[in-house]
Amino acid sequence: DTAVSQTPKYLVTQMGNDKSIKCEQNLGHDTMYWYKQDSKKFLKIMFSYNNKELIINETVPNRFSPKSPDKAHLNLHINSLELGDSAVYFCASSLSGPDIQYFGAGTRLSVL
Amino acid sequence: QQQVKQSPQSLIVQKGGISIINCAYENTAFDYFPWYQQFPGKGPALLIAIRPDVSEKKEGRFTISFNKSAKQFSLHIMDSQPGDSATYFCAAKEETSGSRLTFGEGTQLTVNP
Repeated sequence: DTAVSQTPKYLVTQMGNDKSIKCEQNLGHDTMYWYKQDSKKFLKIMFSYNNKELIINETVPNRFSPKSPDKAHLNLHINSLELGDSAVYFCASSLSGPDIQYFGAGTRLSVL
Repeated sequence: QQQVKQSPQSLIVQKGGISIINCAYENTAFDYFPWYQQFPGKGPALLIAIRPDVSEKKEGRFTISFNKSAKQFSLHIMDSQPGDSATYFCAAKEETSGSRLTFGEGTQLTVNP
């Protein structure tokens, strides 16, 4: 009955590979987010979707492409992975308007 | 540029002591100030939040103090417990930004038994 679930929890891959992280929420929320947390724990928003429409797109390399097939899912595809992409990626969701964001447990991506 | 500055970066407190984490902001359009708590291996979770129309909000051992004129707010954890050991993030949101939260850099709190 996890509210915001991400898969996989760990992802180890080689430089240059393409990988995807999936996120699903069962809270009935209409807004979903991707955050990147670096080694210093700094949380930075990458993207946000509201009702499948992109509403926040921070300065993120084009290699990162979010996809929202429906309101309950927001996936993140990363092309040509680089060493600097190593981080923990968090998915979150909320209702638009109200302010509480609910986070998943994170996906630890290690690029070798 | 970092719009929400948080300090200290790390904090060690003895059990039963008071933990204080401070945040400062520049954007006067911010109208919502939450604190998130993150345990190792978990995602951040909302702990407590305040709006600028009040100067203090208390929930159990956790209190937010808000100083609108100084553009500062702080989290006080009374009677700190080892189970409070976590990373704490302050954040801020402005009404016109939709759901965008701007996070502080985080404070790693360790409460020694």
